[in-house]
Parts: sequence; C-alpha cells; structure tokens
Amino acid sequence: AQSVAQPEDQVNVAEGNPLTVKCTYSVSGNPYLFWYVQYPNRGLQFLLKYITGDNLVKGSYGFEAEFNKSQTSFHLKKPSALVSDSALYFCAVRAYQAGTALIFGKGTTLSVSS
Amino acid sequence: DVKVTQSSRYLVKRTGEKVFLECVQDMDHENMFWYRQDPGLGLRLIYFSYDVKMKEKGDIPEGYSVSREKKERFSLILESASTNQTSMYLCASGGLAGGRDTQYFGPGTRLTVL
Repeated sequence: AQSVAQPEDQVNVAEGNPLTVKCTYSVSGNPYLFWYVQYPNRGLQFLLKYITGDNLVKGSYGFEAEFNKSQTSFHLKKPSALVSDSALYFCAVRAYQAGTALIFGKGTTLSVSS
Repeated sequence: DVKVTQSSRYLVKRTGEKVFLECVQDMDHENMFWYRQDPGLGLRLIYFSYDVKMKEKGDIPEGYSVSREKKERFSLILESASTNQTSMYLCASGGLAGGRDTQYFGPGTRLTVL
C-alpha cells in the first residue's frame, strides 16, 4: 500500500536560517512526489513535484526538494527562511501506475520566528 | 492560471440536513476529487471522478455521495449530515498524463454540523 510519512508535526526555525521539512514515502514502483503549502483558512497551493530526472527539484517561493530513492525520502528545503513561510506543509505521493488521487502525509507546521 | 472554486467558504448546518458542496474548475480537467481535512489526520480522499458521470470511492466514502453531470462541476452530497462530518472540505482537479499532473485545489469549505 502507498503511504507517506511526515515525522515532524512542527518545525521551528529562525528567520534567515535554512529549513528542512522531512518526508518519506512507500510505493510500489516509481513514485510521483509533490509538496503543497497551506496558509491559514486557505486551500492547498502547489509548490513543486518530482516526476523523473534530476533529483533536486526547484519550486515556488525559493523552495526545493531532494529526491533520494535509496532512502525513499523527498525532503523540502529552503536556504534562508522567511517569516512569511510559516504555514502547514503537505507531502504527497502517487505511484506510477495508479490513476487515483494523491496520498497525503499528515502535514508539518512550519513556524519561522523573526 | 488554473481556477478551482467552491460554492461556500463557511457553512453551518443541522444534524439530519441534506448538504450540497459544489466545486467548479475552469481548466477542462478530466479528474476531480473531494477530500476532507482534519487536524492531525491530513487529507483523506472521499470520492473522485475521472470523467462525466463516472465516480470512484476513496478512502472514506461512507455518509457521502457525489455527482458529476458536467465536466467542470463536481458536487459532494451529505445525505443526512452528522456532527462527525464537521470538517474542512477541499475540492481538487487535475488532468491525465499517467498521474504526472498536478492537482489544483479550491479554497475549501469549512462545514460545521450542529
């Protein structure tokens, strides 16, 4: 069965410091991996996705994510955090052969302090 | 830009009422989805549709039904609302392309059942 784990409920960083939000996955076959962000009382906004190719994927708002097949991970990163990055982040996966919806992690709240 | 709209941002209903949540997308996407979001549980798939008049159950379909009479519109129906259906409901749409396509989300409807 497909699954996604976000091991941290909350991540706290100071503004200007690098941030990492962790995600690991389990699928049969090649995965398609996604990161979304949700600001308070808003829907989910797409940040980036890994389909194939370069393991380092760049996305919106200066975020990037690194696909690591051996560790089955897809961690979200940003070199320098902003207070405005504070939000709820979701990792999601879909298996290559599946025509179904994404499987989402439970979310990680990122809090960036000034 | 992809636009997914939901008929209401906030909705308050009474136990036993029939509730309709409407979702419209303007990108001619084949796939549409309904999720519910609860704290600590992430997003869970209720139903999805891959074509007009076609529907598939997701992970938690009990107590819900859906309707897709037109490609751009996907409705979620709570036949007899219960308090445990108080939640944030998110609609999403996406194209085909073997699962590579990004899902785009609406702003969400926060439903309270009293």
